Amino acid sequence: AQSVTQLGSHVSVSEGALVLLRCNYSSSVPPYLFWYVQYPNQGLQLLLKYTSAATLVKGINGFEAEFKKSETSFHLTKPSAHMSDAAEYFCAVSSRRNTPLVFGKGTRLSVIA
Amino acid sequence: NAGVMQNPRHLVRRRGQEARLRCSPMKGHSHVYWYRQLPEEGLKFMVYLQKENIIDESGMPKERFSAEFPKEGPSILRIQQVVRGDSAAYFCASSAQGFTSTDTQYFGPGTRLTVL
Repeated sequence: AQSVTQLGSHVSVSEGALVLLRCNYSSSVPPYLFWYVQYPNQGLQLLLKYTSAATLVKGINGFEAEFKKSETSFHLTKPSAHMSDAAEYFCAVSSRRNTPLVFGKGTRLSVIA
Repeated sequence: NAGVMQNPRHLVRRRGQEARLRCSPMKGHSHVYWYRQLPEEGLKFMVYLQKENIIDESGMPKERFSAEFPKEGPSILRIQQVVRGDSAAYFCASSAQGFTSTDTQYFGPGTRLTVL
């Protein structure tokens, strides 16, 4: 069975500060990992995905994430937060063996001016 | 290229009524997934369908819930005899290939169901 743990249901950063959203996964097979962003009353938009290629993945809006197998982590980072980054962020895992996306509970990011 | 379409965006039902949620996948996508998001929770998988076939319904409640994806028309998630606990946001996603591949799932805006 697969699972995702997102540490911190709410993270608050100042505009221009580093954004770090944590995600740890559990999977019995090599995972595919995803970060999605959800703005209020909208659907989910894919930020980036890891599919066993490069361990450092660059996504949209300046976000990136690094797959660390030894730590079973896939943390999301952005060097400098912008007000428009305020949203809910979800980490998700899937495998090659006919399993659906398994989501974490999400982290709400607030950006303070 | 239109994205995943869902309607209605908001749906209010009284206990005991039926709710029908519709999802039109992206053009060229033949795989549809339904997820439910409860307040303060992440998304939970419900069902995965291809045209005219249910591939995986392991996340569907055993009673009152059903889904279909006919040869023509949108995918439908049907909830019979709704209860207050069914109040949630229901998201549909589509992909060009099944989740055995790396193909990305693209999400619709969701239907927010409120049961009075």
